Amino acid sequence: AQSVTQLGSHVSVSEGALVLLRCNYSSSVPPYLFWYVQYPNQGLQLLLKYTSAATLVKGINGFEAEFKKSETSFHLTKPSAHMSDAAEYFCAVKGNNDMRFGAGTRLTVKP
Amino acid sequence: GAGVSQTPSNKVTEKGKYVELRCDPISGHTALYWYRQSLGQGPEFLIYFQGTGAADDSGLPNDRFFAVRPEGSVSTLKIQRTERGDSAVYLCASSLDGDGSYNEQFFGPGTRLTVL
Repeated sequence: AQSVTQLGSHVSVSEGALVLLRCNYSSSVPPYLFWYVQYPNQGLQLLLKYTSAATLVKGINGFEAEFKKSETSFHLTKPSAHMSDAAEYFCAVKGNNDMRFGAGTRLTVKP
Repeated sequence: GAGVSQTPSNKVTEKGKYVELRCDPISGHTALYWYRQSLGQGPEFLIYFQGTGAADDSGLPNDRFFAVRPEGSVSTLKIQRTERGDSAVYLCASSLDGDGSYNEQFFGPGTRLTVL
């Protein structure tokens, strides 16, 4: 069965610093992987998705993620954090009929 | 509307009561999903509709939970004899298609259910 694990429930960075949010997956078949962002009192918004076309995936708001099969990882990065990036981030893998989410990582950006 | 909408945005009820949560998917989306998000957790799958039929209800926690989508568009999640443990945000999502495809799921803002 497919699943994802997010390492670190809270990450704090300074404005302008690198953002790195970690996600490892488990899947018996080639996975479809996603990163979603959730702002307070809002629904989840898709940042990017991996569907095997390219290992480096670029998303919205300057985020990108690299699929590494050897490490079973799909970490999310952004070179320079902005205050508006403060939110909850969820990694997810497509299951048979559902999306399976990690527990989430709350990103705090300090001025 | 352009996105997935859910009503009500907040629902407070008493233990033992019955509640209905509504989801309006994006027009033309045949697949509809319900998830439950507890505090500090990621969303957990409840049920998936392809058209009018529940193609997968394996995530429903027990028989107090039921969902319908009679005309293949709007869906209602129904919870009988609510318990305090049912308190969570209930999220609805829709996509163009389901069935193992990687079509993006578009999420609504959720309904926050509080059972006192």
